Amino acid sequence: GAVVSQHPSWVICKSGTSVKIECRSLDFQATTMFWYRQFPKQSLMLMATSNEGSKATYEQGVEKDKFLINHASLTLSTLTVTSAHPEDSSFYICSARDEGPGNTIYFGEGSWLTVV
Amino acid sequence: SQQGEEDPQALSIQEGENATMNCSYKTSINNLQWYRQNSGRGLVHLILIRSNEREKHSGRLRVTLDTSKKSSSLLITASRAADTASYFCATGSGTYKYIFGTGTRLKVLA
Repeated sequence: GAVVSQHPSWVICKSGTSVKIECRSLDFQATTMFWYRQFPKQSLMLMATSNEGSKATYEQGVEKDKFLINHASLTLSTLTVTSAHPEDSSFYICSARDEGPGNTIYFGEGSWLTVV
Repeated sequence: SQQGEEDPQALSIQEGENATMNCSYKTSINNLQWYRQNSGRGLVHLILIRSNEREKHSGRLRVTLDTSKKSSSLLITASRAADTASYFCATGSGTYKYIFGTGTRLKVLA
């Protein structure tokens, strides 16, 4: 079946630094991907819609300059957390839309970010 | 903001019993999906039900959808310890932008 891969699975970074998380669709092309964040024991909150070749669409309350999204190819979207702070520590999950016959959404395994 | 509210927030049952989780949402939907998430892991897709469907089955899972009440339920029959996880409903309105419910934490005791 279709697979969405996220990298890294775990990352620890220092406050003030930036960290990049990748989301790849491995065997299908995805013009649209989505980024979610999840705090411990809470639900997933949609952060933004990543559109290939154009700007991402951010949900209300999500800082565009802090969470930079780049969708430069049909199989890769990246989320960069800039000037990270401890409160950015969270589980980040992406999903990708397979526009093939199944027209289905697939989720990645998620990336744990810890800012120290 | 959250689209779906799930009920109960937490559920603890004995192995072999049935578990029922409910999801209510606020606006019109195109389809509704249920996912499972083991602690600290990604999402596992369980079942998708479209707005014109009322019930779907998959193995030990049964999902119902009542669009007039804007609610859905997930029934897991003959539960197993391995079913221990958090369960989320996610509603889609046709844009593939899914909004997740608050989740139900299920614990199945062996």
